Amino acid sequence: KNEVEQSPQNLTAQEGEFITINCSYSVGISALHWLQQHPGGGIVSLFMLSSGKKKHGRLIATINIQEKHSSLHITASHPRDSAVYICAVRSDSNYQLIWGAGTKLIIKP
Amino acid sequence: GAGVSQSPRYKVAKRGQDVALRCDPISGHVSLFWYQQALGQGPEFLTYFQNEAQLDKSGLPSDRFFAERPEGSVSTLKIQRTQQEDSAVYLCASSHRTGLKDNEQFFGPGTRLTVL
Repeated sequence: KNEVEQSPQNLTAQEGEFITINCSYSVGISALHWLQQHPGGGIVSLFMLSSGKKKHGRLIATINIQEKHSSLHITASHPRDSAVYICAVRSDSNYQLIWGAGTKLIIKP
Repeated sequence: GAGVSQSPRYKVAKRGQDVALRCDPISGHVSLFWYQQALGQGPEFLTYFQNEAQLDKSGLPSDRFFAERPEGSVSTLKIQRTQQEDSAVYLCASSHRTGLKDNEQFFGPGTRLTVL
């Protein structure tokens, strides 16, 4: 069983829909990252959180430490949101990031 | 620019050729990480520097991989006698601090290596 699991693996939605991507982890963490990767592009950090909720524009990230679960939400989705969204956790015992496999999101106009 | 930069962005090598990939971290960032991302997979940790010291190289897949950061800023990842399985995107990230908590990593655009 992977230490970080994301769902769904692939998601296709229509423009304007509310999007939710989930991340569950099984290790102790000091922080959780949500990152975005466009095809052929580098990785952009969206959020780093260790508790509660953060919001940036149309993006919202939440984390429940007790349940070891985090969600990334996109409101009013747009085709430019199409990308791979990756959840990565920082172990509480070292500096390494443990990566999820990513969720490939396609937003159709 | 103020971000992490990597060069080249794309590299095609013949099997057996040596390659060198460069990472320029954000100025003043102490920590530097290299990751390897195979097609369709998440990044895998390769190695970690704190200033010029390579504190962890446990992720390097073989002794053909070598990384250095001699002056604690620019880092080079060298792959000797490249093999087809080395084809991947190589990502570099830097962070300001060395602590475990709240230490956000900033990523470069990556170098896509294709070994023919």
